[in-house]
Parts: sequence; C-alpha cells; structure tokens
Amino acid sequence: EADIYQTPRYLVIGTGKKITLECSQTMGHDKMYWYQQDPGMELHLIHYSYGVNSTEKGDLSSESTVSRIRTEHFPLTLESARPSHTSQYLCASSERLGTEAFFGQGTRLTVV
Amino acid sequence: LAKTTQPISMDSYEGQEVNITCSHNNIATNDYITWYQQFPSQGPRFIIQGYKTKVTNEVASLFIPADRKSSTLSLPRVSLSDTAVYYCLVGDSNSGYALNFGKGTSLLVTP
Repeated sequence: EADIYQTPRYLVIGTGKKITLECSQTMGHDKMYWYQQDPGMELHLIHYSYGVNSTEKGDLSSESTVSRIRTEHFPLTLESARPSHTSQYLCASSERLGTEAFFGQGTRLTVV
Repeated sequence: LAKTTQPISMDSYEGQEVNITCSHNNIATNDYITWYQQFPSQGPRFIIQGYKTKVTNEVASLFIPADRKSSTLSLPRVSLSDTAVYYCLVGDSNSGYALNFGKGTSLLVTP
C-alpha cells in the first residue's frame, strides 16, 4: 500500500472560509502533485512540485495555492472558498516525473 | 509533447479479454507509456509501464509495436471489479506531461 495520506477525506464549508487540504507522504518522493476532479469527469493537474521550495502550476488554472517546505508535506490552500471550488482534490507523489505515481484517497470538498 | 487518444468507453462481459488501444503519434524517443486504473471516488492506481515490445505483470499486458505510435493494454478474463476508467499516459522522467491523465477509457464489465 502507498504511504500517502490526505486529510480531511470530506469537508463541507461555507463560502468565504479559508481552508487547507493536507497531503503527506512517507516515501521520500521529491515529486508531488495536486489534481482536481469532478464526478465522472477528467482528472486535471492543478499544481506540482519538483522538491522542497519548488512549486509549479498545472494545466488547469486554479485559485488555490500550494507550498513545499518539507519533502513529505504538500498542502493546498484556498484563501476564500467558493461554491465553484466544490470538487474532489487528489494528491499524488512519485520518485521522478515519469515513474509510478501513488495517489492519496482524496478530499471531497463541498462549499455551500 | 506526446498527446494520447483512447476510446471514451468500452463494454465487455465477464470472462472476456479486453484490449484498450491508445494512440500516441508524437511519442518522443525517451517517452515511456504508462497505464493507470481509477475506480469511482478513488485516486488512480498504476497498472503497468513499458517502453517497447511487450510487458506483462500479474494484472495486465502491454503491447507496444515497433513504431511506438500506439499501445494496447490487455486485461485477461475481466471481472465485474475491473469496471473502472483506464488512462494512458506518455512522457519521460523530465516531462511534466508524464502525469497528464486526459479523459481515459471508461470500461464497463457486465455479467
């Protein structure tokens, strides 16, 4: 089993609130990723990191921000949640960009 | 940058062999081909990766012709639990596009 964890699994929050979705991995992987996926829809890369202090935006524009202060930790923050942010957020890590990626269980976010 | 094309959906009966083909006409010399499986409400799971010819593991086989412009994921004797979305990715260890999943192929297995 992959050692990558996301918390919380489910979150319902009011509009305008600031939230942070947590992602941690214990595999020592340098590469980490955040994806956004609506039910039955395509998986979109929104952020990725090559390593500590490295963050890049993915293909899908997102109002979220990420940080990578420690290798094992890659949190995603929404400063002011809106209903349009309602989605599933999946975190992943890999040893290198082209190698096997391990995914967390995801956080299903609902903004009301 | 390599771009992949795969069928949107496929149907199969239990016990049959399923072959899902992915086209990647612009594949680069250093690119690998990787397949993932995703069940509803879960993150994708790595199935198999290959560079050329044939790769087999306990779950699936991957066939890659000599020109590498396509690849075929073969699932032997599928069961209902193989109902999932299957993604074909192409890229190398230096390419951020190695982890762009696209729309995938939705496989439905029925009794």
